[in-house]
Amino acid sequence: LAKTTQPISMDSYEGQEVNITCSHNNIATNDYITWYQQFPSQGPRFIIQGYKTKVTNEVASLFIPADRKSSTLSLPRVSLSDTAVYYCLASGAGSYQLTFGKGTKLSVIP
Amino acid sequence: EAQVTQNPRYLITVTGKKLTVTCSQNMNHEYMSWYRQDPGLGLRQIYYSMNVEVTDKGDVPEGYKVSRKEKRNFPLILESPSPNQTSLYFCASSLSGANTGELFFGEGSRLTVL
Repeated sequence: LAKTTQPISMDSYEGQEVNITCSHNNIATNDYITWYQQFPSQGPRFIIQGYKTKVTNEVASLFIPADRKSSTLSLPRVSLSDTAVYYCLASGAGSYQLTFGKGTKLSVIP
Repeated sequence: EAQVTQNPRYLITVTGKKLTVTCSQNMNHEYMSWYRQDPGLGLRQIYYSMNVEVTDKGDVPEGYKVSRKEKRNFPLILESPSPNQTSLYFCASSLSGANTGELFFGEGSRLTVL
């Protein structure tokens, strides 16, 4: 099981781009990287998933370098509503036992 | 609407009084799992189920039981709750495992054991 490590917290001003990095040094060949966002008193929700290089959707981008030992979630021009906890998860085909990291608490400042 | 429904959302109980937290999904997902969330510890998996009648332990299974008699339901059972099981609990489901797309989480069940 790939263990992930993230910064505990980050602060950003509104309108800035935010990059949250996740370290997963022992990632397996068939592991994917998935990011989740959690608002207070709600369940986590899926943001983006990738295997390598770059993936972009309407919410975020995910950068995974060639060695795949880390990944970076990029949130463009954050707003106050992006204040949340962000979780990185590494999991492979048939991954049933899942180990989430402790998450990164992002605070967006006006 | 695709969703995972947990009940109850809030519960206060006393030590030793058996309780069940229900979880139901309407997406025909094979995989379901339970997590507890505590301050500073993130999400920790309690149990998971790959399909009907197939369950296995996650990282923190002590004090919990589960069953999967139907595909849509995955109840979490606390036979004899203790104060250290006071926590926020989440149920989640996905098509198959966690790398086939997204895990869908319920809204959470906040449990207090006195």
